[in-house]
Amino acid sequence: DAGVTQSPTHLIKTRGQQVTLRCSPKSGHDTVSWYQQALGQGPQFIFQYYEEEERQRGNFPDRFSGHQFPNYSSELNVNALLLGDSALYLCASSGMGPLIEQFFGPGTRLTVL
Amino acid sequence: GNSVTQMEGPVTLSEEAFLTINCTYTATGYPSLFWYVQYPGEGLQLLLKATKADDKGSNKGFEATYRKETTSFHLEKGSVQVSDSAVYFCALNEGRGSGSEKLVFGKGTKLTVNP
Repeated sequence: DAGVTQSPTHLIKTRGQQVTLRCSPKSGHDTVSWYQQALGQGPQFIFQYYEEEERQRGNFPDRFSGHQFPNYSSELNVNALLLGDSALYLCASSGMGPLIEQFFGPGTRLTVL
Repeated sequence: GNSVTQMEGPVTLSEEAFLTINCTYTATGYPSLFWYVQYPGEGLQLLLKATKADDKGSNKGFEATYRKETTSFHLEKGSVQVSDSAVYFCALNEGRGSGSEKLVFGKGTKLTVNP
């Protein structure tokens, strides 16, 4: 059973560019959440998708947007990149049940120069 | 809003030493509590969890007890190994249907175990 997968593994962009990160959830999961982890910090919640809609959003600007596809996979898009967007971006998936246990992918390391 | 405060690191121990990493939380509801571990260059792995007061989560020799009266969820292990070297994160969420299903993390505690 494949876990959560993310692509690409690493990415280097320059300021002002746009980037798209991809995530495939664990089999049987229908909810995808995205987190940003700056160096030496805990992950910060960006947003969560369920049934192809953004269900909840953290304190991130509109430059951060996302999408969920009918097969539950998801994309995170960041426009007008800033140096401060350099971080590890983590995708987590979860399924049904009262306990929301989120399974994380290995992350995409984004470096903005 | 909800928040998690955990012990600042780094923590350096010798193999077979006792480990405690403190974690306290602030939440408006009745959250579920988690400990995640992150090995170098990797994503997060769920280490253990507890869903209600007095629950004890355990895995791989690690334990944590959900203490509602002290709003704490301290991580303990009786005898650490070099392979336990990693960053440990305490986290909470308020559960399905609460309107807030995101995970809120602490800043992490880096553990180094020397042989």
